[in-house]
Amino acid sequence: DAGITQSPRHKVTETGTPVTLRCHQTENHRYMYWYRQDPGHGLRLIHYSYGVKDTDKGEVSDGYSVSRSKTEDFLLTLESATSSQTSVYFCAISVADTEAFFGQGTRLTVV
Amino acid sequence: GESVGLHLPTLSVQEGDNSIINCAYSNSASDYFIWYKQESGKGPQFIIDIRSNMDKRQGQRVTVLLNKTVKHLSLQIAATQPGDSAVYFCAETQSGGRRALTFGSGTRLQVQP
Repeated sequence: DAGITQSPRHKVTETGTPVTLRCHQTENHRYMYWYRQDPGHGLRLIHYSYGVKDTDKGEVSDGYSVSRSKTEDFLLTLESATSSQTSVYFCAISVADTEAFFGQGTRLTVV
Repeated sequence: GESVGLHLPTLSVQEGDNSIINCAYSNSASDYFIWYKQESGKGPQFIIDIRSNMDKRQGQRVTVLLNKTVKHLSLQIAATQPGDSAVYFCAETQSGGRRALTFGSGTRLQVQP
């Protein structure tokens, strides 16, 4: 899995609570991404980072924030979780223009 | 915004047959088109890519065809095996950017023994 670890792997949380998902890489790659995967939508880009403290919004960034204080860690935060944010979240690193390695995913359920 | 989509949600083939998975795209500015495979419970895995200035590229048991005239991408898998059963996504990206991928909605390939 190219040294990508997502934590937690599963989480159930209540509506309105903050949630942080962590992505850790051991490969020292510059580009990191957070995607969400929902039935019928494939994977959609939430936020991405092109270096420490350099981040940008993706297609579905509303309700999410990210931080990257170290090359190896990329955090995704749901400030106030909603049921529409129930999804599977994937972190990825880019190793070439077209090739990305993905983590195992985090299944988040907001009740 | 522009997106990449797929014609067929599920494709069922017999083991040993060839499989063809199709994808329609709308962003003419994309520089690369890519296929990813996702097995159950795992993240997507890179299979093969093709530059926008090419019309065919071959890999090991896989071939990707690009038809820019009709904005169509296909993935051909030769001698399909049970291990090929997965969801296949087409994706696109632009060079010179942040390497962000735009994915289609996926096709499930089921290989019957």
